[in-house]
Amino acid sequence: EAQVTQNPRYLITVTGKKLTVTCSQNMNHEYMSWYRQDPGLGLRQIYYSMNVEVTDKGDVPEGYKVSRKEKRNFPLILESPSPNQTSLYFCASSFGTPITDTQYFGPGTRLTVL
Amino acid sequence: GEDVEQSLFLSVREGDSSVINCTYTDSSSTYLYWYKQEPGAGLQLLTYIFSNMDMKQDQRLTVLLNKKDKHLSLRIADTQTGDSAIYFCAESMDAGKSTFGDGTTLTVKP
Repeated sequence: EAQVTQNPRYLITVTGKKLTVTCSQNMNHEYMSWYRQDPGLGLRQIYYSMNVEVTDKGDVPEGYKVSRKEKRNFPLILESPSPNQTSLYFCASSFGTPITDTQYFGPGTRLTVL
Repeated sequence: GEDVEQSLFLSVREGDSSVINCTYTDSSSTYLYWYKQEPGAGLQLLTYIFSNMDMKQDQRLTVLLNKKDKHLSLRIADTQTGDSAIYFCAESMDAGKSTFGDGTTLTVKP
């Protein structure tokens, strides 16, 4: 089944404790992206990747890192999480860029930073 | 910067049509999308329209695009309770970047 998976789905952590949210897609998509969803702010793009070893900042990259060492995986890294990073995070992928192709979204990861 | 705006709430009766509206600011948008998010779930692509189109119809869904006014709408015919969800409008213009609206919560009453 073609899908985008994220792990964990739910996470509660404390300020400053490094964490990684994994994202994996099995559709051989070149483009992958991370978003956060906050009440009243909609979805905002954090980082995106056009292909392996190519990553770019979205609208809200501060406090996050990503890597794209292989095509199927695009982990989101929070080196020192803070409470303002409490949010619902979505990973998405598409074969081409959003200009030429439509994105498929993962189920979301709800992160709480205490 | 670019903004995508939507009204936050819409309530309709089952069987009526729903119209969800969206405005965007960047006239260079190439694709405009509608996504649906059900409670506790991720985003599901409903439909999209190229910026050189005025209308697209897909079963119960009709998308209208007014480029002059930078206005996008999604019409759902014969709305059902299963259509209750949050609907997001989104646009893409730069390679790789997408901008989403805040979402419209559609409530369908029996």
